[in-house]
Amino acid sequence: GENVEQHPSTLSVQEGDSAVIKCTYSDSASNYFPWYKQELGKRPQLIIDIRSNVGEKKDQRIAVTLNKTAKHFSLHITETQPEDSAVYFCAASSGIQGAQKLVFGQGTRLTINP
Amino acid sequence: NAGVTQTPKFQVLKTGQSMTLQCAQDMNHEYMSWYRQDPGMGLRLIHYSVGAGITDQGEVPNGYNVSRSTTEDFPLRLLSAAPSQTSVYFCASSYSGLAGYGDNEQFFGPGTRLTVL
Repeated sequence: GENVEQHPSTLSVQEGDSAVIKCTYSDSASNYFPWYKQELGKRPQLIIDIRSNVGEKKDQRIAVTLNKTAKHFSLHITETQPEDSAVYFCAASSGIQGAQKLVFGQGTRLTINP
Repeated sequence: NAGVTQTPKFQVLKTGQSMTLQCAQDMNHEYMSWYRQDPGMGLRLIHYSVGAGITDQGEVPNGYNVSRSTTEDFPLRLLSAAPSQTSVYFCASSYSGLAGYGDNEQFFGPGTRLTVL
């Protein structure tokens, strides 16, 4: 089945700098790659996603890139702010049409230092 | 809309006890899932449902049962609690497939923190 590896497990950056989180996946049939943000004690919330027919997607300060050949995708956050501090999870979907399940990475704890 | 709701928020059980974690959604979503979240392991799928009356196993189903008698409700039953089931449990629902997609994203409930002694 699908396996998703996420790195790094913790990341600390200065406010205003950029942060990059990387994930690799094993199933070449996976075609949907969402990223979730989870603040302390809260539920995961979708922040951006990408389909396998797209190489890059941006939403304000957040972008995701996908390399299907290498089977890896990355989250880029620019001009980081204190409210970006959270745990971020990548995921990849696998399985048959209509019942594609998400397999999550292990999570990255991002800390923004003022 | 209340979205996805879960009860209880916190629960402490003794080994061997059984209990049911409740999950409900009012968005008329066909797809619902249960995940558990453990430190350093992300979220892992326990069971899922693609519609009323239809359930299937996810990645870590052992020790858990589910049923889906209505579109709105998707309870998770712990048959005989074990310390290894200490975790945070999230229920999720989506309109477009289990994974959701874009505007039809997968919505998570607030979670239930379970401790088994």
